[in-house]
Amino acid sequence: GAVVSQHPSWVICKSGTSVKIECRSLDFQATTMFWYRQFPKQSLMLMATSNEGSKATYEQGVEKDKFLINHASLTLSTLTVTSAHPEDSSFYICSASPGQGGAYEQYFGPGTRLTVT
Amino acid sequence: QKEVEQDPGPLSVPEGAIVSLNCTYSNSAFQYFMWYRQYSRKGPELLMYTYSSGNKEDGRFTAQVDKSSKYISLFIRDSQPSDSATYLCAMSRNQAGTALIFGKGTTLSVSS
Repeated sequence: GAVVSQHPSWVICKSGTSVKIECRSLDFQATTMFWYRQFPKQSLMLMATSNEGSKATYEQGVEKDKFLINHASLTLSTLTVTSAHPEDSSFYICSASPGQGGAYEQYFGPGTRLTVT
Repeated sequence: QKEVEQDPGPLSVPEGAIVSLNCTYSNSAFQYFMWYRQYSRKGPELLMYTYSSGNKEDGRFTAQVDKSSKYISLFIRDSQPSDSATYLCAMSRNQAGTALIFGKGTTLSVSS
């Protein structure tokens, strides 16, 4: 149980275009979803936290107009990178929490590798 | 000072060795301590978690938390080549639905 999927797993886009990444909880309802970014040989850095039906809360330094997050249902959250630039190239990982239990009750997706050319 | 510090390694050991991975932290409010394993270009998978201080054992893995020293450890006994991965420590102040603060990760290589 507790499976989280991401789509696509890898995407290449041209500079200036927008890219949408989907995160789905397949077998549980996710009250809260998180989006992380991971650069090579670096740790996961939290970008934003989203609760179903509410606006996302962004971490300091993350541009909310550039990284649009929509948590439209209890099983789906999307991250749209708008006007992508090469410096946005990174590994984006989502996680989902059922909102109950301990902090360890957070399940990670397989990640999406974004390359902006 | 970063909230969570973790030596990135790399750490190379022969098969069968005991591996010790460590993290230090500065925020005394952390209550949940997790260890994740991450293979290249994959999402992290939870190995173990501990609430507050103490030890926890699961097969070849043992997690230890010393809140007085703000120090956590993961021990891997009888290490196997399949244990080769990046190990991330993560911490949280609260219960479910709160973000995790990750260490940088330690890359482990176990040779046969």
